[in-house]
Amino acid sequence: DGGITQSPKYLFRKEGQNVTLSCEQNLNHDAMYWYRQDPGQGLRLIYYSQIVNDFQKGDIAEGYSVSREKKESFPLTVTSAQKNPTAFYLCASSTWDRGRGEQYFGPGTRLTVT
Amino acid sequence: AQSVSQHNHHVILSEAASLELGCNYSYGGTVNLFWYVQYPGQHLQLLLKYFSGDPLVKGIKGFEAEFIKSKFSFNLRKPSVQWSDTAEYFCAVNWGSSNTGKLIFGQGTTLQVKP
Repeated sequence: DGGITQSPKYLFRKEGQNVTLSCEQNLNHDAMYWYRQDPGQGLRLIYYSQIVNDFQKGDIAEGYSVSREKKESFPLTVTSAQKNPTAFYLCASSTWDRGRGEQYFGPGTRLTVT
Repeated sequence: AQSVSQHNHHVILSEAASLELGCNYSYGGTVNLFWYVQYPGQHLQLLLKYFSGDPLVKGIKGFEAEFIKSKFSFNLRKPSVQWSDTAEYFCAVNWGSSNTGKLIFGQGTTLQVKP
């Protein structure tokens, strides 16, 4: 089955710890994205990558970092510098297609930091 | 700055009622427009999309949307909703000038359909 997997589904961390969220896709998509979903705010773009070994900041990149060493994988690290890390994190991928590519979403990871 | 606004945050309808959800974006130029839906417990998925051509586009499950360029709007409609349409709906815009796949999402509208 083609799709996007995110693990784990729920993640709990203590304040001050870095945590890495996994995202893997087997759709052979070039582009991958990380969003943060908070109630009443929709999805906000954290980072995106259009090609391996390249990525760009989205609208709320502060306190986050990413890597794109393989086409299939785009892990997100939530660092201790992120002021409000508790949220639902969604990963997506798409073909490039001049911005017309449908984004396919994973099931999400709910991160709780206490 | 590029932004997308959805006017209705929470909509409650009875089955068979008609639905219209508003979506406006901040400015023009070439835009690629999307509506996504998130059913309870499921992944976010595409309902429909518009790139060019006929401004009235049809999507899955009887949904349609109309692009009105002069109003920077892309409203979602369904003539008769069902209980299974209960979900959260997101409008999203890609500005072609960005030359990326970057999407800006609206705040989302929660639709509750009463049986």
